Amino acid sequence: GAGVSQSPSNKVTEKGKDVELRCDPISGHTALYWYRQSLGQGLEFLIYFQGNSAPDKSGLPSDRFSAERTGGSVSTLTIQRTQQEDSAVYLCASSLVYRGDRQPQHFGDGTRLSIL
Amino acid sequence: DAKTTQPTSMDCAEGRAANLPCNHSTISGNEYVYWYRQIHSQGPQYIIHGLKNNETNEMASLIITEDRKSSTLILPHATLRDTAVYYCIVRDNTGNQFYFGTGTSLTVIP
Repeated sequence: GAGVSQSPSNKVTEKGKDVELRCDPISGHTALYWYRQSLGQGLEFLIYFQGNSAPDKSGLPSDRFSAERTGGSVSTLTIQRTQQEDSAVYLCASSLVYRGDRQPQHFGDGTRLSIL
Repeated sequence: DAKTTQPTSMDCAEGRAANLPCNHSTISGNEYVYWYRQIHSQGPQYIIHGLKNNETNEMASLIITEDRKSSTLILPHATLRDTAVYYCIVRDNTGNQFYFGTGTSLTVIP
């Protein structure tokens, strides 16, 4: 079956531009997560969605970062006025929630964002 | 979430079993042990998880000690495609995120 799909796979943009990253979770997965991974580093949590609401936005690094999810499915992560330190791989994951327990997260292959 | 300790790197001969250890001495009773791996340029791939019983699936086996303070991931017949960074994570299922440490870089040698 289809896994988590992210687009674009690569994005190169100039400093100061806005970018929008897209995540298509596994069908039926109500929980969705965004992480970012800088070169050679571990994963940094950004935001968690349950359905269309985001009860945990604690990882968003600044107000330039925002995310939304519509229809309980596709999510977009938007970075406004990009800076060079925003360069990283942005990973999306989704999971089932069963009786309140979040099941294993399944990750996409990420969007590699490069800010010139 | 409990902290985990893994060796930085390991080698394994192709076709042999790869045994990857993980220490999690501060694990609490409701925390699960998860294993993921990440191959270069790909997202982390879920392998297996367990609470206290040993688990096996089509990818690997997970052996958890009786006191739950350590575990071992076993890849029964390692192939070159198993070369990756393997992450051991402990967390309860109410948490929103996974804390990925530095993991073990496994190299399968022909």
